[in-house]
Amino acid sequence: NAGVMQNPRHLVRRRGQEARLRCSPMKGHSHVYWYRQLPEEGLKFMVYLQKENIIDESGMPKERFSAEFPKEGPSILRIQQVVRGDSAAYFCASSSDTLPEAFFGQGTRLTVV
Amino acid sequence: QQQVKQSPQSLIVQKGGIPIINCAYENTAFDYFPWYQQFPGKGPALLIAIRPDVSEKKEGRFTISFNKSAKQFSLHIMDSQPGDSATYFCAAVTQGGSEKLVFGKGTKLTVNP
Repeated sequence: NAGVMQNPRHLVRRRGQEARLRCSPMKGHSHVYWYRQLPEEGLKFMVYLQKENIIDESGMPKERFSAEFPKEGPSILRIQQVVRGDSAAYFCASSSDTLPEAFFGQGTRLTVV
Repeated sequence: QQQVKQSPQSLIVQKGGIPIINCAYENTAFDYFPWYQQFPGKGPALLIAIRPDVSEKKEGRFTISFNKSAKQFSLHIMDSQPGDSATYFCAAVTQGGSEKLVFGKGTKLTVNP
């Protein structure tokens, strides 16, 4: 049973470009969380999604950031017109309907140059 | 509003020592409390978790103590090893609800040889 898969592992974008981060949850998991982590800092919640629904996006910046978790395919975190301050590690976690344990992927490290 | 407060921010112990990391929560609806271990460059990994109907849980050298009345829980690492050097995050969630997993800010543990 594969774990949570995130890709790409590393992503370099120039200022103003778009970044697309993908997360495939563990098999059987329908809950997905996205977190952002700056170096030497904690995990900052961004968004919580269930299949085709955004449950809680209270941690998402109002502009340039969006997330989706379609019926088929991975969850996508999209950052438009990236700026240097978006450089961070972005982690995805997933959990199931029946068990509360959330499992994390290895993250995508975004660098904006 | 930070719903889970974690301390200390950093901790240094000698090999064989017993580091203790403490967390306190506010929301009495939380009913599942996991701990995650994160090594540099990696995603957080689920280490051990506890539900409030027990006061203590042990898995190997890791022990969680839980005090429901005080709304506090702590992680103890017995016979700590240099390989335990990592950042540890406590978390809390309400099972079955549409609530996000809430994290403490993390404790960076260093175990010296």
